[in-house]
Amino acid sequence: DGGITQSPKYLFRKEGQNVTLSCEQNLNHDAMYWYRQDPGQGLRLIYYSQIVNDFQKGDIAEGYSVSREKKESFPLTVTSAQKNPTAFYLCASTNTGGGDIQYFGAGTRLSVL
Amino acid sequence: QKEVEQNSGPLSVPEGAIASLNCTYSDRGSQSFFWYRQYSGKSPELIMSIYSNGDKEDGRFTAQLNKASQYVSLLIRDSQPSDSATYLCALNSGGYQKVTFGTGTKLQVIP
Repeated sequence: DGGITQSPKYLFRKEGQNVTLSCEQNLNHDAMYWYRQDPGQGLRLIYYSQIVNDFQKGDIAEGYSVSREKKESFPLTVTSAQKNPTAFYLCASTNTGGGDIQYFGAGTRLSVL
Repeated sequence: QKEVEQNSGPLSVPEGAIASLNCTYSDRGSQSFFWYRQYSGKSPELIMSIYSNGDKEDGRFTAQLNKASQYVSLLIRDSQPSDSATYLCALNSGGYQKVTFGTGTKLQVIP
């Protein structure tokens, strides 16, 4: 089945630790996105990538980093510089020419120990 | 002014009634508009997309777009308890395939 796979479903971070959230898609989509969602809030864009080896900062990129070495993969690293990382993280992808419709993975819930 | 504004709710409607969800936006250049449904603890799923003025119907759902007044709405007919969720309004606000989301309206359908 085609789709977007995020792992792990739950993740715990210790003080000063970097953690990486995985996002893999087999939809052959060009563009991929990372969002953060806090309770009762909408989705805020962290980073997005339109093509391999290229990515742009979104509205809240500080404390996060990404890479796009393969079309299928867009991992997000939450660094120790992100002082308030507890949130629900969502990865999405879009097909070029697909009318901007975004398809989402199941999400990763990150908490701080 | 927020780019996409929604009433946070909760909006409570009895089962079988019509639920009306509204969204206003600030960027007149927006071209693509979406309604996503998000159940608690789950990821958003697309309900409707609309790109031109007027109504677009899909089953029990109707999206309405009025670019002159800068609003988009979602009507849910014959509301069911399974429709209880948060509904996110989203639009392309000018960036390349970059979508901006509202904070969502929580809908409660009372049996």
